[in-house]
Amino acid sequence: DIQMTQSPSSLSASVGDRVTITCRASQSINNFLNWYQQKPGKAPKLLIYAASSLQSGVPSRFSGSGSGTDFTLTISSLQPEDFATYYCQQSYSTPPLTFGGGTKVEIK
Amino acid sequence: QVQLQESGPGLMKPSETLSLTCTVSGGSISSYYWSWIRQPPGKGLEWIGYIYYSGSTSYNPSLKSRVTVSLDPSKNQLSLRLRSVTAADTAVYYCARGRDSGWFDFDYWGQGTLVTVSS
Repeated sequence: DIQMTQSPSSLSASVGDRVTITCRASQSINNFLNWYQQKPGKAPKLLIYAASSLQSGVPSRFSGSGSGTDFTLTISSLQPEDFATYYCQQSYSTPPLTFGGGTKVEIK
Repeated sequence: QVQLQESGPGLMKPSETLSLTCTVSGGSISSYYWSWIRQPPGKGLEWIGYIYYSGSTSYNPSLKSRVTVSLDPSKNQLSLRLRSVTAADTAVYYCARGRDSGWFDFDYWGQGTLVTVSS
């Protein structure tokens, strides 16, 4: 199985901050990497697919980059509605599809 | 607008078989992978398995011996059966649509249903 490791597991930030979350795969996954946002009590929402493609309807302050084993999700200017938990997911090798452990973005 | 809605029992006893149904509305089930994903309380996401609209399936090896995912195109429904449940199967269970785009991302999700296994 391909293991996905996210860092940090949590972070505190202020509105307007630039936030970067990292996801590392245990082996190369090319660009088969997706990012999701999950708010408490809600289902995850797709933000980024194919490492850097913005899902329709997602604000442009979200961006993704990376290839191989190292990936980042960046929020250019954190907004109040962005406080949530973020997950990466690899789809290069299945089964199984695997998710990272999550990064919780909290208000400073 | 595509919508997914899970339904099933909220409370189960150990050793029973979990049966969940997901009804898809507002879109066709064709040309998509339909998955079940679960999330234990306070923890991360675990992919359970998928069924392609053609009927082919794939399961998480950690659950494969206990899981069956099926599709009823006439009702636009997918189903999950998980046998011999234990407390470790307590989780919110989501159904999700996986796009047949090469990157297997999940673009639509149900709201989730909490299943608690307790004696």
